[in-house]
Amino acid sequence: SYVVTQAPSVSVAPGQTARITCGGNDIGGKSVHWYQQRPGQAPVLVVYDDTDRPSGIPDRFSASNSGNTATLTITRVEDTDEADYYCQLWDPSSDEQVFGGGTKLTVL
Amino acid sequence: QVYLVQSGAEVQRPGASVKVSCQSSAYSFTDYYVHWVRQAPGQGLEWMGRINPNTGVPTYAEKFQDRITVTRDTSINKVSMEMQRLRSDDTAVYYCATARYLPGAFDHWGQGTLVAVSS
Repeated sequence: SYVVTQAPSVSVAPGQTARITCGGNDIGGKSVHWYQQRPGQAPVLVVYDDTDRPSGIPDRFSASNSGNTATLTITRVEDTDEADYYCQLWDPSSDEQVFGGGTKLTVL
Repeated sequence: QVYLVQSGAEVQRPGASVKVSCQSSAYSFTDYYVHWVRQAPGQGLEWMGRINPNTGVPTYAEKFQDRITVTRDTSINKVSMEMQRLRSDDTAVYYCATARYLPGAFDHWGQGTLVAVSS
């Protein structure tokens, strides 16, 4: 089955830029989605179809996907951005949805 | 606005079965894929399966193929996930989530249902 890799943690100071990556074989050929999950809450979609933001998500959140890496970028990081972030895609070979292991973003 | 409402927390013995439901007054489950995702304590998200909005046919992750059944009742717009032969490591929060199309993102999530398996 398709394997997606995320770093367990990323730390960034307030106001700086956080980059969270999602690695997989030719992941650029798949549609990648990103979720934010705060403690004790259900996940929330922050980016879909590689680069698009749902309504209500600040434009500080952006993403890209090319080659073997998809990246979620959060600019001007705020305390409220501290959360776990997951990438997710559909693997047509197995017909399964796949989640990355998640990255914990810590705001210093 | 709450889009997906799940059934309440459950405590079950090892070897038992549990059924978790997901209902919506905002969305028709004949228009959206409904997926099931679980999260064990302190762990990441794990996809379990989905049901096709057009055919009502479920698809399961290989890991859960022989232990879960996803069904829907279109008359009351409810989707249910039943898991059999529960083990202690099935203790988790179980979420339903909707997607407009198959490779599509999970745009709305239920509040989650805690299933605790303990003797």
